[in-house]
Amino acid sequence: DQQVKQNSPSLSVQEGRISILNCDYTNSMFDYFLWYKKYPAEGPTFLISISSIKDKNEDGRFTVFLNKSAKHLSLHIVPSQPGDSAVYFCAASKAGTASKLTFGTGTRLQVTL
Amino acid sequence: DTAVSQTPKYLVTQMGNDKSIKCEQNLGHDTMYWYKQDSKKFLKIMFSYNNKELIINETVPNRFSPKSPDKAHLNLHINSLELGDSAVYFCASSQWNDNYGYTFGSGTRLTVV
Repeated sequence: DQQVKQNSPSLSVQEGRISILNCDYTNSMFDYFLWYKKYPAEGPTFLISISSIKDKNEDGRFTVFLNKSAKHLSLHIVPSQPGDSAVYFCAASKAGTASKLTFGTGTRLQVTL
Repeated sequence: DTAVSQTPKYLVTQMGNDKSIKCEQNLGHDTMYWYKQDSKKFLKIMFSYNNKELIINETVPNRFSPKSPDKAHLNLHINSLELGDSAVYFCASSQWNDNYGYTFGSGTRLTVV
């Protein structure tokens, strides 16, 4: 039962353009959402998060949007840079679950010159 | 100075063997985790320890036994290794219920032949 889904396994974007990574979830009890970035041979690193009481959170070039009614969130990267090429994991958690994060399967972003 | 360190980074072993993966964190966190990333790239939680106490124990074969001698260490011992155990195992740490502070190690790639 995959509660967090990233339906696009890969995405290719030109440098300077916008990258949009999508994530869907099925569990309405999730109230906190995160994006992690992973380079090869490294562990995932925290990128940005959003609480269910918000619909947008911005940090520099990264913005996460949350649509609770659609159970959908997206990560926008503007402008995209070659160093953004990595695998991006969406994750979700619910209150009272002892910090347990449920991850999606990841989207590999390739930013081309 | 690595925040969450796992050893070994690579492990190749034969079916039926017993092996251990060690994890140490120097962040002062009180919660540690083991996640498994399988061939489908799905990152799934296996165990979570808070202050040396087992908090999360997902549906994992009892051949997998975590051991937390203190807050800074969480080791994973696997008995009677099977081909299906081949995966990348990530250790992580955080403060209790602090979603920002999830720090991952760089992973241990286990290959069972």
